[in-house]
Amino acid sequence: GAGVSQSPRYKVAKRGQDVALRCDPISGHVSLFWYQQALGQGPEFLTYFQNEAQLDKSGLPSDRFFAERPEGSVSTLKIQRTQQEDSAVYLCASSPWTVSGNTIYFGEGSWLTVV
Amino acid sequence: AQSVAQPEDQVNVAEGNPLTVKCTYSVSGNPYLFWYVQYPNRGLQFLLKYITGDNLVKGSYGFEAEFNKSQTSFHLKKPSALVSDSALYFCAVRDLIRNQGGKLIFGQGTELSVKP
Repeated sequence: GAGVSQSPRYKVAKRGQDVALRCDPISGHVSLFWYQQALGQGPEFLTYFQNEAQLDKSGLPSDRFFAERPEGSVSTLKIQRTQQEDSAVYLCASSPWTVSGNTIYFGEGSWLTVV
Repeated sequence: AQSVAQPEDQVNVAEGNPLTVKCTYSVSGNPYLFWYVQYPNRGLQFLLKYITGDNLVKGSYGFEAEFNKSQTSFHLKKPSALVSDSALYFCAVRDLIRNQGGKLIFGQGTELSVKP
């Protein structure tokens, strides 16, 4: 597609439920990022993939958070046993080959509410 | 560690007046700086970036930003604000630690409100 596509756009989960958020990056983009944005805050880095390799997962807040990109294209962010503090917008972003000057393009986000 | 600061939570401007949204940065080495805009219930849209070269960078929707190395600033500007410019604006710096993809580090955001 023309841009980064994320689904679902909106998700309401009961506390303790597992959720999976999908990201379809711009075709051909090697780099893929996940960010978490709490209400009224700037996005916070979660994890980074170069093709299928997860090179940085330093931002994942707990072992309940897991991300994968098995074929180097679509990525899934999974949150197990959701808690209320997981309520946030989850943004996926992609960019071409890892050159520092490249622009990083964001999707519309997946809005997660844990009740 | 790389970081950016946006000292103003909110900026109010009258339509037609010039606007400035402030950003200062702290980096080791040369900074790669970006501005993004976020409309309500939307993702981030890229506005402009400074990588190297001319200190005045022009971007989308008539926005521009001036890189000032001595003041470590990268303020976003527009000569004449529109009501439709009302949104949340984020400054970001690229973290260039090797093999970590150059993730963006964001400021806390500035809410711009343009009144008719």
